[in-house]
Amino acid sequence: SQKIEQNSEALNIQEGKTATLTCNYTNYSPAYLQWYRQDPGRGPVFLLLIRENEKEKRKERLKVTFDTTLKQSLFHITASQPADSATYLCALMDSSYKLIFGSGTRLLVRP
Amino acid sequence: EPEVTQTPSHQVTQMGQEVILRCVPISNHLYFYWYRQILGQKVEFLVSFYNNEISEKSEIFDDQFSVERPDGSNFTLKIRSTKLEDSAMYFCASGRIGSGDTEAFFGQGTRLTVV
Repeated sequence: SQKIEQNSEALNIQEGKTATLTCNYTNYSPAYLQWYRQDPGRGPVFLLLIRENEKEKRKERLKVTFDTTLKQSLFHITASQPADSATYLCALMDSSYKLIFGSGTRLLVRP
Repeated sequence: EPEVTQTPSHQVTQMGQEVILRCVPISNHLYFYWYRQILGQKVEFLVSFYNNEISEKSEIFDDQFSVERPDGSNFTLKIRSTKLEDSAMYFCASGRIGSGDTEAFFGQGTRLTVV
């Protein structure tokens, strides 16, 4: 069956460090992989997407990599700030244009 | 900046009652979605809607659920006879998906509590 796994439920890091979140998937051939941020009680907010033929994408302090052989994406936040504390969701978009979400990783950036 | 709006933000209903959750997607978007998130769990796909019809639905989206786009701007989710386990946050989303842009824009959600 299809599965999306995010490496840990929670990640706790010091301000200024790089946060690295992992997303692994099985039994999917996604056209796109996307990362969203979700704050408590709010809807997901789109951050970045990467296509199946792309290896890396950057946007300001964010970087996403996509390895279709390993079936894995890494999401990096450099120079992390307390305001980056949130839950980060990996989502795969299949050929029918629906998004399937992982369970998320809760990031806490300590000042 | 355009956004997806959902009403109400919170709905409390008795078990067995019908509820209608309302959404106004972003105006030039083509794809519309409903997702739900039970407290502490992941965001789950319910249904996608394109060209005035359901394009895909999940196993969760049984006969108790229906969607409509009654007037070209609103997009509604109806639950005919609510159960306790329908208590969750319900998110509407829309996107231009298929035209080169693939991100989905989510509303702030409706918290449904079934008592």
